[in-house]
Amino acid sequence: EPEVTQTPSHQVTQMGQEVILRCVPISNHLYFYWYRQILGQKVEFLVSFYNNEISEKSEIFDDQFSVERPDGSNFTLKIRSTKLEDSAMYFCASSVPTTTGSSYEQYFGPGTRLTVT
Amino acid sequence: DAKTTQPPSMDCAEGRAANLPCNHSTISGNEYVYWYRQIHSQGPQYIIHGLKNNETNEMASLIITEDRKSSTLILPHATLRDTAVYYCIVRLYQTGANNLFFGTGTRLTVIP
Repeated sequence: EPEVTQTPSHQVTQMGQEVILRCVPISNHLYFYWYRQILGQKVEFLVSFYNNEISEKSEIFDDQFSVERPDGSNFTLKIRSTKLEDSAMYFCASSVPTTTGSSYEQYFGPGTRLTVT
Repeated sequence: DAKTTQPPSMDCAEGRAANLPCNHSTISGNEYVYWYRQIHSQGPQYIIHGLKNNETNEMASLIITEDRKSSTLILPHATLRDTAVYYCIVRLYQTGANNLFFGTGTRLTVIP
């Protein structure tokens, strides 16, 4: 069964450093998402992406964050200057449009645990 | 998107049906009910969704009340691997990416 993959599984970085989290969505999917989950808290939406542009973003997704689909397979989340509070599990997800252009089921990757020290 | 209310935790004996309730009294006519689960910090996993009719798939059944103000997710024969946090999400069905807004969910513990 096709699945969303994410690398690395765990990233440790120092405060102020840039990090790039990578995701390979399912190949025929067209909608892409990033979510995060701070330890012990709920899963929070960050950003959605379609047709090479951001569809929607939350208040969390400020100027420190950016997303990119650099080629036909990868989808990346960049944090420009990490802060301690960026420590969290980051999940990538993708979905495929239905015949009406919407989507129901999102497939999530296993996550990247980001630790900022 | 309408707000949902779920009990924080539930237990279920292995092999028995697990019935997870969700209240969504402010749901509007074109909002769907989705259920996802998260097994121990893994990525959330889609289970099922519905609008107003009851739905069943290989994982679960979804029962939506006639007034659509509440629903119940049923796992017919719970196994230990069904121990997870279950999220009920109400979401407008619209063209394009449909972002999900997770609440705190119900932590289901399946007991041997």
